Amino acid sequence: AQSVTQLDSQVPVFEEAPVELRCNYSSSVSVYLFWYVQYPNQGLQLLLKYLSGSTLVKGINGFEAEFNKSQTSFHLRKPSVHISDTAEYFCAVTFHSGNTPLVFGKGTRLSVIA
Amino acid sequence: DAGITQSPRHKVTETGTPVTLRCHQTENHRYMYWYRQDPGHGLRLIHYSYGVKDTDKGEVSDGYSVSRSKTEDFLLTLESATSSQTSVYFCAISGQGRETQYFGPGTRLLVL
Repeated sequence: AQSVTQLDSQVPVFEEAPVELRCNYSSSVSVYLFWYVQYPNQGLQLLLKYLSGSTLVKGINGFEAEFNKSQTSFHLRKPSVHISDTAEYFCAVTFHSGNTPLVFGKGTRLSVIA
Repeated sequence: DAGITQSPRHKVTETGTPVTLRCHQTENHRYMYWYRQDPGHGLRLIHYSYGVKDTDKGEVSDGYSVSRSKTEDFLLTLESATSSQTSVYFCAISGQGRETQYFGPGTRLLVL
């Protein structure tokens, strides 16, 4: 079965420092990959996605992610975080074949410290 | 923002009572989904629909049923609510390509 693992449940980081949120997936077929962000008491907002093409994907709010097929990873990065980036981040995957909805990781809570 | 609304936004109910949550979209998207979100579990798929009257079960479908009689509405019913169904419920939609899902604002349900 396909699965998504977010390796860190919580990541504290100081303001203006870089951050990387890790995501690995398991799949034997081609995938589409997503990162969503959830601010407190809100719904999920799409941050970025990889469908095909360049493995480096840029998203909103200065975030980017790199698809690494050999390592089955899709880590999210930002070179300098702001207090406003404090939120929960979810990695998700769906698969090119079949009628399969998104499979989500359990989330990483990013806390930016002033 | 995708045109997705959920109602009610908050609900408190008692164990054993039926509850229906509604998701309404104005995007004419084919696919609609119901997820629940619980601490430490992320989002888990309950049911989804790939067209009017076409639905399928997700990972945590026990105790839930769905209906979709119109493209724009997807209803989630808890036939007899239990405390374990206390959660935040999110509806999502996606178009023909299914690549990207857009989420509604969520419904907070408390079952006492």
